[in-house]
Amino acid sequence: DVKVTQSSRYLVKRTGEKVFLECVQDMDHENMFWYRQDPGLGLRLIYFSYDVKMKEKGDIPEGYSVSREKKERFSLILESASTNQTSMYLCASSPGTDSGGGEQYFGPGTRLTVT
Amino acid sequence: AQSVTQLDSQVPVFEEAPVELRCNYSSSVSVYLFWYVQYPNQGLQLLLKYLSGSTLVKGINGFEAEFNKSQTSFHLRKPSVHISDTAEYFCAVSDRGRGGGFKTIFGAGTRLFVKA
Repeated sequence: DVKVTQSSRYLVKRTGEKVFLECVQDMDHENMFWYRQDPGLGLRLIYFSYDVKMKEKGDIPEGYSVSREKKERFSLILESASTNQTSMYLCASSPGTDSGGGEQYFGPGTRLTVT
Repeated sequence: AQSVTQLDSQVPVFEEAPVELRCNYSSSVSVYLFWYVQYPNQGLQLLLKYLSGSTLVKGINGFEAEFNKSQTSFHLRKPSVHISDTAEYFCAVSDRGRGGGFKTIFGAGTRLFVKA
């Protein structure tokens, strides 16, 4: 089974802190994604990566950055956390473009609260 | 541009009753369609997918969905629900974005609440 793990299930940070959210997948997937999930808005794509050291902005990249130094690891960084970044953050991975039509495998999520 | 509309934000239903969760999409190209389920305090997991072929797709836990190209719909159904089906359900559509990779858009979700 594909396993996607996220470093924390719950996280509480203060406004202005730098926050790192880590995601690791064990199935050698090329593609990795970071979403935030808010009630009534579904999942919104923050950043994604099709390969090591490659990243592309999603629909709501403002206030976030990412890093992918190794194929299995994709990190989301909040440079200076703000209260409007309180949310559930979901990491996902998917195989390369010829497989599965873009089916994604999700981690359990990190619920981040910024106070 | 793609978009996904889940027509009901909440669906309450009694145990053993049938249920349909509605999903409409728009896209200018051929698409792949998915339903994901999210149980409380968990990530999403794939319920079923349509890539090609038969328009009736069967998934896990007794769910099925029908792809209707003319109506651009992909509604999810189950003939008899259980309490354990209480969860949030997301419809998603993907197509090939720029760079060759898949771009996926998710609906806002439908919360299914099964009552005893």
